[in-house]
Amino acid sequence: DAGVTQSPTHLIKTRGQQVTLRCSPKSGHDTVSWYQQALGQGPQFIFQYYEEEERQRGNFPDRFSGHQFPNYSSELNVNALLLGDSALYLCASGRDPSKGGISRRGYEQYFGPGTRLTVT
Amino acid sequence: DAKTTQPPSMDCAEGRAANLPCNHSTISGNEYVYWYRQIHSQGPQYIIHGLKNNETNEMASLIITEDRKSSTLILPHATLRDTAVYYCIVRVQSFNKFYFGSGTKLNVKP
Repeated sequence: DAGVTQSPTHLIKTRGQQVTLRCSPKSGHDTVSWYQQALGQGPQFIFQYYEEEERQRGNFPDRFSGHQFPNYSSELNVNALLLGDSALYLCASGRDPSKGGISRRGYEQYFGPGTRLTVT
Repeated sequence: DAKTTQPPSMDCAEGRAANLPCNHSTISGNEYVYWYRQIHSQGPQYIIHGLKNNETNEMASLIITEDRKSSTLILPHATLRDTAVYYCIVRVQSFNKFYFGSGTKLNVKP
């Protein structure tokens, strides 16, 4: 089992451009959450996708959007990039609690290795 | 979700116990305490969680005070590979998102 995978590993973009990041969840998982982690800070929740719909959203502008596909994989899109968007973008997958996603380890979220985005 | 407060950094000698404190004075009755760690910008890794009883697993022990306003993560015999940022998170079990604070950078020294 490959676990959560993300692509690309690193990315360099210019201010004003658009970027798409990709995430494949762990096998058996149906929810995908995205987090932004600026240097020296903890991850900040962007949004979560379940059943191809955005279910929860953190305090991020509409420039941040996403999509979930029928195979549960997900994309994060960021438009009109700003220098402040430079960060490590983490994807986390889980199994919805309504489908037995809570085990003896609680509600488990497995994180991917992240995509390092640099905006110049 | 309740907010957590952790010291920014701590040192620990290799082989000794590492005790990482967390304050969560506004925790609600249905919120669990989770601990994750992040090694050198990899994805965060689950360590342990609990509601009100002390918990132990193969990685660590979690001690939650009786009033649940604070907790301590204990790594019984720290190794160099335990050097990481440790995050204390409180969350409702049925919600899927985590609110991370700034965490504690644990430096395990030889």
